[in-house]
Amino acid sequence: GEDVEQSLFLSVREGDSSVINCTYTDSSSTYLYWYKQEPGAGLQLLTYIFSNMDMKQDQRLTVLLNKKDKHLSLRIADTQTGDSAIYFCAGVPGKSTFGDGTTLTVKP
Amino acid sequence: DSGVTQTPKHLITATGQRVTLRCSPRSGDLSVYWYQQSLDQGLQFLIHYYNGEERAKGNILERFSAQQFPDLHSELNLSSLELGDSALYFCASSVRTSGNTGELFFGEGSRLTVL
Repeated sequence: GEDVEQSLFLSVREGDSSVINCTYTDSSSTYLYWYKQEPGAGLQLLTYIFSNMDMKQDQRLTVLLNKKDKHLSLRIADTQTGDSAIYFCAGVPGKSTFGDGTTLTVKP
Repeated sequence: DSGVTQTPKHLITATGQRVTLRCSPRSGDLSVYWYQQSLDQGLQFLIHYYNGEERAKGNILERFSAQQFPDLHSELNLSSLELGDSALYFCASSVRTSGNTGELFFGEGSRLTVL
């Protein structure tokens, strides 16, 4: 999507940390989201962060938000093979605010 | 299970034809969004309906139209189909009331193949 940019591919080894980055242009979103899409399935919300926060931690997931640079990142600690999926960052629903997605491949 | 139901799951048709994709949102959700996911263009927002009214349009072609009915289910109509319309079409719903986070609940998609 033109409002959100993500790198397309990331490959890591099982047990390593994964960091997926996203830059966005529309700063009006109250929340910013990370969605996960497993093969053959729809997108599912993974986590979100309120736009006034800098960081949110949720078990193995850490979301960092740099509003000045309009940069959002998702860190997955101790990445597992089950984390292999496409990850999308997104802003306000109803606009062209989904990135193209980052395909995460986790190698055993 | 997100609670969003899309039918059909798979559809194969020929160029020039017309198809209708159907979406039933989660119970109580007033907003329905349609997205197109293709290999070369990622996830593209098409259109948003709230409680029967069109709220926003994205990259939706004139050959495509949608509506949301009083029972809140929605249909996406694709006409004069072209090979390039082959894609996964997702419907998503959300609550859209004050205090909610705007989370979208996605269906499993309708895979359209145009031959």
